[in-house]
Amino acid sequence: EAQVTQNPRYLITVTGKKLTVTCSQNMNHEYMSWYRQDPGLGLRQIYYSMNVEVTDKGDVPEGYKVSRKEKRNFPLILESPSPNQTSLYFCASSQRKKDVSYNSPLHFGNGTRLTVT
Amino acid sequence: KNEVEQSPQNLTAQEGEFITINCSYSVGISALHWLQQHPGGGIVSLFMLSSGKKKHGRLIATINIQEKHSSLHITASHPRDSAVYICAVFQGAQKLVFGQGTRLTINP
Repeated sequence: EAQVTQNPRYLITVTGKKLTVTCSQNMNHEYMSWYRQDPGLGLRQIYYSMNVEVTDKGDVPEGYKVSRKEKRNFPLILESPSPNQTSLYFCASSQRKKDVSYNSPLHFGNGTRLTVT
Repeated sequence: KNEVEQSPQNLTAQEGEFITINCSYSVGISALHWLQQHPGGGIVSLFMLSSGKKKHGRLIATINIQEKHSSLHITASHPRDSAVYICAVFQGAQKLVFGQGTRLTINP
């Protein structure tokens, strides 16, 4: 089954304790991206990747890191989490067609609800 | 002013009613997506549009590139259509900008 898998679904941690949220897709998609969703602010893009070893900042990259060493995986790293990173996080992927990634549907993971105390 | 504006923010209707959700954007786009988010949080892509009109079952999506406007219509609405509907636009190949979402409640 074609899917984007995020783990964990729920995570409670303390300020400053490094954590990684994993994202994996089995559709051989080139484009992958991370978003956070907050009440009143909606969804906002954190980072995206157009291909292996190619990543770039979205609208709210501060406090986050990503890596794209393999096409299927795109982990989100919070090296020193703070309470303002408490949020619902989504990973998504999309296929590139004729070098145009945006002409394909987005596939979302089930989300990770992160609480930083 | 947000680059992507949706209206209404909240919509309550009776089962069977025809529903319209609107999305206006102020930037040049390469594609527009309509997304559905049910309580519990998962997001599903309903449509991707760069021109014209698409139909899937009871759902219809249209886009007018010149007017920078898109609409999502639901015919014969059902309580299971209750969800948040989100409009999202791709600027260029990478940047995705989202509307605030429309919370739809369909009462039996």
